Amino acid sequence: DQQVKQNSPSLSVQEGRISILNCDYTNSMFDYFLWYKKYPAEGPTFLISISSIKDKNEDGRFTVFLNKSAKHLSLHIVPSQPGDSAVYFCAASAKDGTASKLTFGTGTRLQVTL
Amino acid sequence: KAGVTQTPRYLIKTRGQQVTLSCSPISGHRSVSWYQQTPGQGLQFLFEYFSETQRNKGNFPGRFSGRQFSNSRSEMNVSTLELGDSALYLCASSFSGFGNTIYFGEGSWLTVV
Repeated sequence: DQQVKQNSPSLSVQEGRISILNCDYTNSMFDYFLWYKKYPAEGPTFLISISSIKDKNEDGRFTVFLNKSAKHLSLHIVPSQPGDSAVYFCAASAKDGTASKLTFGTGTRLQVTL
Repeated sequence: KAGVTQTPRYLIKTRGQQVTLSCSPISGHRSVSWYQQTPGQGLQFLFEYFSETQRNKGNFPGRFSGRQFSNSRSEMNVSTLELGDSALYLCASSFSGFGNTIYFGEGSWLTVV
């Protein structure tokens, strides 16, 4: 049962344009969401997070939007740069006793082209 | 401040052997968790330790175990290795594990032959 889903395995965006990565979840107990960027053979690098009490969080070029009613979140990268090319993972944790456990999506490979 | 440090980075083991992986969390972080990444299963939670106690556990067989020391450093052990245990093992740390950002190490690449 995939509780966190990233339905787009890959995305190609031109440099300077906006990249939008999407994530859907099914577990209504999830209340903290994170986005990570990952290069092959390296650990995930934290990008940005959002608590369920908010619907938007910004950090530089990265903005995460959360739509709790739709159980959907998205990561916007503006403007996209070639160095952003990587696999992006959405992750969620619950407000129950398993809050310390992250459930990851399957990832979206972003390619930023010149 | 130093990040999460994992050792060794790469290792090759034979089926049936056991392996121990080590993790030093970010200074001040008391929660340490372990994840397995494989091409087929993605990133999956193994277990989490806080103050030397296992607080959460994923759906892995008992061959996978871990522990945490009083300085928050952690080790995970896999006994009776199987070919399917070949994966990237990631350690992550956070201040308390609840609603905190979780930071990952570079991982330990295990190949079982």
